Amino acid sequence: GAVVSQHPSWVICKSGTSVKIECRSLDFQATTMFWYRQFPKQSLMLMATSNEGSKATYEQGVEKDKFLINHASLTLSTLTVTSAHPEDSSFYICSAAGGMGQGITYEQYFGPGTRLTVT
Amino acid sequence: QKEVEQDPGPLSVPEGAIVSLNCTYSNSAFQYFMWYRQYSRKGPELLMYTYSSGNKEDGRFTAQVDKSSKYISLFIRDSQPSDSATYLCAMSARTGTASKLTFGTGTRLQVTL
Repeated sequence: GAVVSQHPSWVICKSGTSVKIECRSLDFQATTMFWYRQFPKQSLMLMATSNEGSKATYEQGVEKDKFLINHASLTLSTLTVTSAHPEDSSFYICSAAGGMGQGITYEQYFGPGTRLTVT
Repeated sequence: QKEVEQDPGPLSVPEGAIVSLNCTYSNSAFQYFMWYRQYSRKGPELLMYTYSSGNKEDGRFTAQVDKSSKYISLFIRDSQPSDSATYLCAMSARTGTASKLTFGTGTRLQVTL
């Protein structure tokens, strides 16, 4: 159980275009999803927290108009990088927490990540 | 000072060795402690999860939490080349809902034949 998928796994886009990354919880209902970015050999930096049906809460320094997050259902959250620039190139990882079976678990389970390269 | 400190390594050990990975933290509100393993270009995988102080064992892995010293450890017995990865400690205060994690920088472990 506790499988989280991300799509695409790798995307290359041109500067100025927008890219959408999907995060899905495959076998549980994710009431909360988190989006992180990770630069090479560095730890994960939390970008935002989203609860199903609510607006995302962004961490300080993260531009909400540039990184659009939608958590429309209990199994899907999307991150859209708008007007991407080369400095947005990074590894984007989502995690999900929520209900499993009869109980609720708040442990975060991570997706495999999406590598974004902006040229 | 970072909230969570972790030696970035790299740490190189021979196969079969006992590995000790550690993190210290400064926020006394942290109650939940996790260890994640991350292979290159993959998402983190939850290895161990502990609440408050004490030990927890799962196979070759043992997690220890000493809240009085604000110090947590992960021990790996009989290390294998497949254990080569980056190990991230993470912790949260938890308020009854899924709360954000504070991560260490990660320790790169290399287990050699």
